Amino acid sequence: SQQGEEDPQALSIQEGENATMNCSYKTSINNLQWYRQNSGRGLVHLILIRSNEREKHSGRLRVTLDTSKKSSSLLITASRAADTASYFCASQNAGGTSYGKLTFGQGTILTVHP
Amino acid sequence: EAGVTQFPSHSVIEKGQTVTLRCDPISGHDNLYWYRRVMGKEIKFLLHFVKESKQDESGMPNNRFLAERTGGTYSTLKVQPAELEDSGVYFCASSQGWGQSNTGELFFGEGSRLTVL
Repeated sequence: SQQGEEDPQALSIQEGENATMNCSYKTSINNLQWYRQNSGRGLVHLILIRSNEREKHSGRLRVTLDTSKKSSSLLITASRAADTASYFCASQNAGGTSYGKLTFGQGTILTVHP
Repeated sequence: EAGVTQFPSHSVIEKGQTVTLRCDPISGHDNLYWYRRVMGKEIKFLLHFVKESKQDESGMPNNRFLAERTGGTYSTLKVQPAELEDSGVYFCASSQGWGQSNTGELFFGEGSRLTVL
């Protein structure tokens, strides 16, 4: 499998439901970040979790990190139609000299139906 | 505050031609990055500038790609000559200097879509 794999590749839910996206990575990391991309737009940073953290919250977002399994999950609670977008995890590998060098997953396309 | 801006938003060129993409980072951001996403693949790192110096260019695919950041402000990415496999979306991102104030977040532009025919 590739560095930064995500599943599911596509997720379709109804407004109000929760959406969970998973991400796996291969190497040791300094941190893992989640970004959102609306169609045709740039990537927007959502949340960053450091390697010594296990869980982090930001509004309706909850991110977990399991470094023993090299995996992370992003939970969006009470989803809204405006949450429809592609979501990417991106890991910053440990030991590098370029702190903004991120390894991205393929992304999850989330569709929230009103 | 203006975000990261990229130009052009879309460029269509013939194989063998030259294209130059430009990125204006957020004012005051020392770090500037180029990433690209080719069709069906993940977003991949190309290179990283700290001010005008190349910190890491390990992701540059070959010597047809040349990135510059003269004066440490805006950056250009030139592809010469362009090949079909260069088609994709080229993203630029910037961040503050690394230290206590940097949260690790990258600020991305909307990308420049390159189509090579």
